Amino acid sequence: NAGVTQTPKFQVLKTGQSMTLQCAQDMNHEYMSWYRQDPGMGLRLIHYSVGAGITDQGEVPNGYNVSRSTTEDFPLRLLSAAPSQTSVYFCASSYSRGLAGSTDTQYFGPGTRLTVL
Amino acid sequence: QKEVEQDPGPLSVPEGAIVSLNCTYSNSAFQYFMWYRQYSRKGPELLMYTYSSGNKEDGRFTAQVDKSSKYISLFIRDSQPSDSATYLCAMSQNRDDKIIFGKGTRLHILP
Repeated sequence: NAGVTQTPKFQVLKTGQSMTLQCAQDMNHEYMSWYRQDPGMGLRLIHYSVGAGITDQGEVPNGYNVSRSTTEDFPLRLLSAAPSQTSVYFCASSYSRGLAGSTDTQYFGPGTRLTVL
Repeated sequence: QKEVEQDPGPLSVPEGAIVSLNCTYSNSAFQYFMWYRQYSRKGPELLMYTYSSGNKEDGRFTAQVDKSSKYISLFIRDSQPSDSATYLCAMSQNRDDKIIFGKGTRLHILP
């Protein structure tokens, strides 16, 4: 199993540009989520999905869109990038929404480092 | 007051020492408590979790929860240079609820 994969690893954008961060998992997990990690802020939930076709907002959803057409993929779209979106983005998946449990370990991808100039 | 407070460090200790990492929280409804380890330029990985109060031990790691004081700890015995990482505490109210993360503590184990 490859686990959770994210592409690209690094990206530099100019203000106003759009892009999609890709996330895929091969563990047949229903629950997937996107976090951003900023110095001094910790991990903050952007959007999450409890299954194909179902998405919902997290703590900091503004400026980001998501969709979940398949179980495996959960892309994150930045429609018009802003410098405030400079961050490290992590995708995570787990078997169920029961994140806090022994069999429901949340697996994180390696992250995408995004810089918006 | 933030829901979860964690000293960002860095914390530097000599190899072999006992390490104590801590978090405080304000929401008394939290019941699930987790510790994640994050190596540089990697994603976090779940290290330990506990439910409600008490201790849990796994090898060199011990997680401790004191709900009366709203205080959780992670102890690392016989610390190794490979333990150098950022440790994030996390907690949630129930199994299906969102997880709130601390900011993480950077730990350096000096050989």
